[in-house]
Amino acid sequence: NAGVTQTPKFRILKIGQSMTLQCTQDMNHNYMYWYRQDPGMGLKLIYYSVGAGITDKGEVPNGYNVSRSTTEDFPLRLELAAPSQTSVYFCAGRQALGSNQPQHFGDGTRLSIL
Amino acid sequence: DQQVKQNSPSLSVQEGRISILNCDYTNSMFDYFLWYKKYPAEGPTFLISISSIKDKNEDGRFTVFLNKSAKHLSLHIVPSQPGDSAVYFCAAVTGNQFYFGTGTSLTVIP
Repeated sequence: NAGVTQTPKFRILKIGQSMTLQCTQDMNHNYMYWYRQDPGMGLKLIYYSVGAGITDKGEVPNGYNVSRSTTEDFPLRLELAAPSQTSVYFCAGRQALGSNQPQHFGDGTRLSIL
Repeated sequence: DQQVKQNSPSLSVQEGRISILNCDYTNSMFDYFLWYKKYPAEGPTFLISISSIKDKNEDGRFTVFLNKSAKHLSLHIVPSQPGDSAVYFCAAVTGNQFYFGTGTSLTVIP
């Protein structure tokens, strides 16, 4: 049981490049989330999804896009990479039933934009 | 606008002693609170949670206390072990959204 898997683990981009951060889960999570964590800061919500075909903005969505075509996959897209998007990105999944269900996180993608 | 705050960036404790990590929040609508533990180069892992209708939840060496009137929760680890050295995040939940504190780095000294 792999849980929540993120790829790649590390990436360096040039300003203006685009890329997709992949997230897949095999835990039947209805809810999936993308966060970024900057040094010394907590996790900030970028986008989340409550099910296939449904996505919504979080606290810091600018510069990102998401899609949820299947229950298992929730990719995060950066269209025009900017230095401010240098961060560690975490994907998480969660069961839908009840607000007491914790999130299960992937191991993160460390992204540097130069 | 930080709704969940952890005001101590770091904490050092001797092995065997109690570790107390603190968290404050501002939104009275939060209905659930959680603690996560994070090791370097890994994602956060769930540790323990508490409903807003409770004031205490215990799981082995870990106990979470909630003081709703003060909008404060704390995590107690007794006894502390070197393997507990990690960054601890508190999180508060309302609806589908989680709000995280900035984390406290705990070092347990052997």
